[in-house]
Amino acid sequence: GQSLEQPSEVTAVEGAIVQINCTYQTSGFYGLSWYQQHDGGAPTFLSYNALDGLEETGRFSSFLSRSDSYGYLLLQELQMKDSASYFCAVYQAGTALIFGKGTTLSVSS
Amino acid sequence: DAGVIQSPRHEVTEMGQEVTLRCKPISGHDYLFWYRQTMMRGLELLIYFNNNVPIDDSGMPEDRFSAKMPNASFSTLKIQPSEPRDSAVYFCASSLASGTSGGREQFFGPGTRLTVL
Repeated sequence: GQSLEQPSEVTAVEGAIVQINCTYQTSGFYGLSWYQQHDGGAPTFLSYNALDGLEETGRFSSFLSRSDSYGYLLLQELQMKDSASYFCAVYQAGTALIFGKGTTLSVSS
Repeated sequence: DAGVIQSPRHEVTEMGQEVTLRCKPISGHDYLFWYRQTMMRGLELLIYFNNNVPIDDSGMPEDRFSAKMPNASFSTLKIQPSEPRDSAVYFCASSLASGTSGGREQFFGPGTRLTVL
């Protein structure tokens, strides 16, 4: 079978750094994606890791360790607008994405 | 580009009625996906198409659900008959087979919020 595990909730304050972890079990693994979804909105793409290591895009970074079946999303200099749900998603053979249950991030001032 | 277009945005219907959700993918995209999102089950892949051909419909919950893609610019998801447990937000997404992210980036429509009474 396949599964993804990520924390259900994370809280932080403005300006802080937060890390959202994701562990997965799947066959035919190609890579790990991260999506952001604000309340009432559609998921939007943040990043994709196919190889081990860190990918940086502005305040957001994503990491993958294929040997550990583990990845994380790192959000720096948190802002109130970063309050949203964050989903890790495994990209596997056939271009299908399998999404985790999502982590709700609450940023307070 | 207008992005992925879905209609209707909201649908309220009574149990037993037929419901048809519509999706127009981004022009030029090869893949189209239908997802369902609920608090309990999260974001579930129902079915996806490649070049208008259904590739994997293993996520379709029951025979009451059916999806079609008659051409590259239009897809429908039909529920007949609808039940209260079908209440959810249904998203359509599309992607390229290749691209800067290797085609992994999916572009989601705004979703259809379905309520079955």
